[in-house]
Amino acid sequence: ETGVTQTPRHLVMGMTNKKSLKCEQHLGHNAMYWYKQSAKKPLELMFVYNFKEQTENNSVPSRFSPECPNSSHLFLHLHTLQPEDSALYLCASSGGIGLAGNEQFFGPGTRLTVL
Amino acid sequence: GENVEQHPSTLSVQEGDSAVIKCTYSDSASNYFPWYKQELGKRPQLIIDIRSNVGEKKDQRIAVTLNKTAKHFSLHITETQPEDSAVYFCAASFQGAQKLVFGQGTRLTINP
Repeated sequence: ETGVTQTPRHLVMGMTNKKSLKCEQHLGHNAMYWYKQSAKKPLELMFVYNFKEQTENNSVPSRFSPECPNSSHLFLHLHTLQPEDSALYLCASSGGIGLAGNEQFFGPGTRLTVL
Repeated sequence: GENVEQHPSTLSVQEGDSAVIKCTYSDSASNYFPWYKQELGKRPQLIIDIRSNVGEKKDQRIAVTLNKTAKHFSLHITETQPEDSAVYFCAASFQGAQKLVFGQGTRLTINP
């Protein structure tokens, strides 16, 4: 596998379920990101991690809980979601924060549907 | 606040004509401005980027211009082709490149 991968690609869950999204990057990058893509807000930044440390939480509700065990893996734990959380969740990685102008590479996304 | 405005939201041009998409940003300290193309059902991919020390950059049929004083930048696609049909996103770096803030996207349709 090369680049940025995400699993699962599709997920349907009820409002009382707990699930996790996984992202893995094989690019040797130090920074990883979660974005939410919906019709309302096409590319909305949720979280930023740099060298496993969270550096940005864009006022995301606590029902979304990120985890970054190392620079190659990023998780998004989901619990008690609402139907309006249905969206495409994109993961991205870049060379590292602090270096001006780093290209972000995106994963294919997880299409989440909350019933 | 951190904001990137992108216009138009939809754009339809005849094949072979040029397309221009414009963005403005709020933070004068922003120094990196990428453009991403997202085809239907696919992930966003970088097509061109520009840094604040350059006013213009070109790569074959696409070019980007930057006006730091006015805090706006534009994407220009010449000799458009059907495969250029996609959603295009501009972005600007904030907090010393710690993060990118994206515009709302432009759905470009090339009519044969």
